[in-house]
Amino acid sequence: AQRVTQPEKLLSVFKGAPVELKCNYSYSGSPELFWYVQYSRQRLQLLLRHISRESIKGFTADLNKGETSFHLKKPFAQEEDSAMYYCALSGNKGDMRFGAGTRLTVKP
Amino acid sequence: DGGITQSPKYLFRKEGQNVTLSCEQNLNHDAMYWYRQDPGQGLRLIYYSQIVNDFQKGDIAEGYSVSREKKESFPLTVTSAQKNPTAFYLCASSMGQNTYNEQFFGPGTRLTVL
Repeated sequence: AQRVTQPEKLLSVFKGAPVELKCNYSYSGSPELFWYVQYSRQRLQLLLRHISRESIKGFTADLNKGETSFHLKKPFAQEEDSAMYYCALSGNKGDMRFGAGTRLTVKP
Repeated sequence: DGGITQSPKYLFRKEGQNVTLSCEQNLNHDAMYWYRQDPGQGLRLIYYSQIVNDFQKGDIAEGYSVSREKKESFPLTVTSAQKNPTAFYLCASSMGQNTYNEQFFGPGTRLTVL
């Protein structure tokens, strides 16, 4: 069964500080992993996906199959990064499972 | 934001009544999904459909039903059998079955059972 764990419900950092949002998964197959973000009063939207190996808004995430992790990182947090972040895993049927989410607050 | 719409935004229901939540998309997407969002639990998959006239149960399908008669529409019925229906419901769509496809989300419907 697919499962995604985000151990931190709340995370608070100061502007300019590095930030890391943790995500661990369990899945027997080859995982496709995503980070979705929901800014205040906006819809849930894709931030980045593992397969693209991209950096979006300064965020990166590396898939570590040995540790079954897909942590989201940004070296210098900005106030506009404050949002709810969800890690998600797509199964081989295209069905997505989401973690419980981490609310990031970036303080000035 | 008009690609996927949900209605109504707020819905109130008396105990024992069935209620149907609407989800429509004009993105020509094959796949559609329904999630339930509760505080502290993230999104939980209720049902999903990869193609017209076909759908599969997600992790919490009990007390819910869906239909997929048209590509652009995927209504969700919350039946009286659902023990705790008060929640925020999100609909999403994606291009197809490929596991790396992005999901696009609607604005959600907040259902309250009185």
